[in-house]
Amino acid sequence: GAVVSQHPSWVICKSGTSVKIECRSLDFQATTMFWYRQFPKQSLMLMATSNEGSKATYEQGVEKDKFLINHASLTLSTLTVTSAHPEDSSFYICSARGNAGFYYEQYFGPGTRLTVT
Amino acid sequence: DQQVKQNSPSLSVQEGRISILNCDYTNSMFDYFLWYKKYPAEGPTFLISISSIKDKNEDGRFTVFLNKSAKHLSLHIVPSQPGDSAVYFCAGQSSNYKLTFGKGTLLTVNP
Repeated sequence: GAVVSQHPSWVICKSGTSVKIECRSLDFQATTMFWYRQFPKQSLMLMATSNEGSKATYEQGVEKDKFLINHASLTLSTLTVTSAHPEDSSFYICSARGNAGFYYEQYFGPGTRLTVT
Repeated sequence: DQQVKQNSPSLSVQEGRISILNCDYTNSMFDYFLWYKKYPAEGPTFLISISSIKDKNEDGRFTVFLNKSAKHLSLHIVPSQPGDSAVYFCAGQSSNYKLTFGKGTLLTVNP
């Protein structure tokens, strides 16, 4: 199956700093990428949808100026958490799908654990 | 407002027996329903799905049933194996392939 990677897998940062998370599709072209956030024992919550070459679409309640998403190429999307606070500590997961394929063909990365101190 | 609910946080079954994982939803606009398996610190992996116009889909040991009038679906695993132990997420898929997940059910299959 298709492979999606995320980097880093784990990051600790101080309050007020910014951190960038990368999501890459390794063996297919991802025209659409999704970013999710999961708090402990909670569901994965969709944060935003990004299509290559266009601006991301954010879900209601997600601050677009705080969570900057860039999808500059067909294999890479980045999520930058700006001015991070402890409440931003969470597990961030991306997923990707190509232009064709079945509806269920959305592949998830392994996730990034962010801890803000 | 939770659009997808998995009311059982955990389920424990014996190896060889049937595992039944349940999911309820409120959003009638979901086109498809998907089940994912997830291990700690990993992303979800797709397991099985069903179209909103079907009532059953089977793939090997996994069967998903959809009761649209009750807005309820279930995942049956027969026979259950220890390797099936994981968190199972139910998700509804709407337009543009957006997924709405439940909170998950931790399945433990005891040898």
